[in-house]
Amino acid sequence: EIVMTQSPATLSVSPGERVTLSCRASQSVSRNLAWYQQKPGQAPRLLIYGASSRATGIPARFSGLGSGTQFTLTISSLQSEDFAVYYCQQYYAGPSFGQGTKVEIK
Amino acid sequence: EVQLVESGGGLVQPGRSLRLSCAASGFTFEDYAMHWVRQVPGKGLEWVSSISWNSGSVDYADSVKGRFTISRDNAKNSLYLQMNNLRPEDTALYYCARARGAYPPNAFDLWGQGTMVTVSS
Repeated sequence: EIVMTQSPATLSVSPGERVTLSCRASQSVSRNLAWYQQKPGQAPRLLIYGASSRATGIPARFSGLGSGTQFTLTISSLQSEDFAVYYCQQYYAGPSFGQGTKVEIK
Repeated sequence: EVQLVESGGGLVQPGRSLRLSCAASGFTFEDYAMHWVRQVPGKGLEWVSSISWNSGSVDYADSVKGRFTISRDNAKNSLYLQMNNLRPEDTALYYCARARGAYPPNAFDLWGQGTMVTVSS
């Protein structure tokens, strides 16, 4: 099983700040990496797939980088609607998710 | 409207069975692989099972292997999860999710709102 580890667990930020979330895989997943956003009471929403491709309708302030075992999700200028929990997911072998990073208002 | 709607959740005793359904609409269901993902309220996401477009490839998480069975009926635009020998640790919100292509693996680009399963005596 491929274990995904996200850091930090919680990030306290102010609107307008640049935010970078990290995700590490226990073994290489190539670029088979996705990022999801989940708000309270809602289903997850796909943001990024293939490590760096934005899903349909996702604003350009969201960007993904990485390959192999190290990945990042960057939000260039945090908007009020971006406060949520973010999950990374590998789909290289038997999909697995990270434990999530909560982005909260500072 | 493109959507997935889950149903079939509820309260069930340990050791009993439950069958979840997911109705798809607004897209060509048979073009996509499908998944079940679960989430304990307040906790993270756990992938449960996947099925390819033609049911030729299925996969399960170790935690449910041998107890859960995924299936689909493309004529009815529906996905199913038969859950047998349920355990308290299966208690969660169960989502169905669409993969970005016909075969796993792939990212999940459409999610339902989930159906809650509670296993308790």
